[in-house]
Amino acid sequence: DVKVTQSSRYLVKRTGEKVFLECVQDMDHENMFWYRQDPGLGLRLIYFSYDVKMKEKGDIPEGYSVSREKKERFSLILESASTNQTSMYLCASSARVAETQYFGPGTRLLVL
Amino acid sequence: GEDVEQSLFLSVREGDSSVINCTYTDSSSTYLYWYKQEPGAGLQLLTYIFSNMDMKQDQRLTVLLNKKDKHLSLRIADTQTGDSAIYFCAECDSGGYQKVTFGTGTKLQVIP
Repeated sequence: DVKVTQSSRYLVKRTGEKVFLECVQDMDHENMFWYRQDPGLGLRLIYFSYDVKMKEKGDIPEGYSVSREKKERFSLILESASTNQTSMYLCASSARVAETQYFGPGTRLLVL
Repeated sequence: GEDVEQSLFLSVREGDSSVINCTYTDSSSTYLYWYKQEPGAGLQLLTYIFSNMDMKQDQRLTVLLNKKDKHLSLRIADTQTGDSAIYFCAECDSGGYQKVTFGTGTKLQVIP
């Protein structure tokens, strides 16, 4: 059974803190994605990676960075969290870019 | 960037048919998808259609594609309370990274 896991379901951080969101997939997928989901805006792509140590900016990369040291793990980093980064963060993976994306359960981040 | 638009809410009575609509701007879309997000969960692929098809049926789900008008719809027959969720339309472009763009999501409420 396909599985994408995210390190936390809920997270509360203070403005200025460094935040790490971890995502692990067990399907040996090449591609991994980070989205944020906000009401009325749908899913917006932050970053994606099509191979280990490779990364590409999505539509809203500002304020975020990513790391993919191993194929199964894709980390999203908020260098200095701000209140406008309060959101639901969803990780996904796919075997090939156009194919089905498998999503994790999401991390709801609150920045105070 | 590409745009994918959906209405935000739809309310139907149990047993009726639901029709969720989506419009997109990318004339070179290759695949179009419908994902479902249940409360507190990530997205799951419901169905997809190739851009050279007009229609796809899968049990209670019917997808219609009007490529000329760039309009995609999802019809759910005999809607059940378990169908209450947010439904996302997504399209995949034909560019190098075959980027997938998600819509804003339509929240379907099924009234018993």
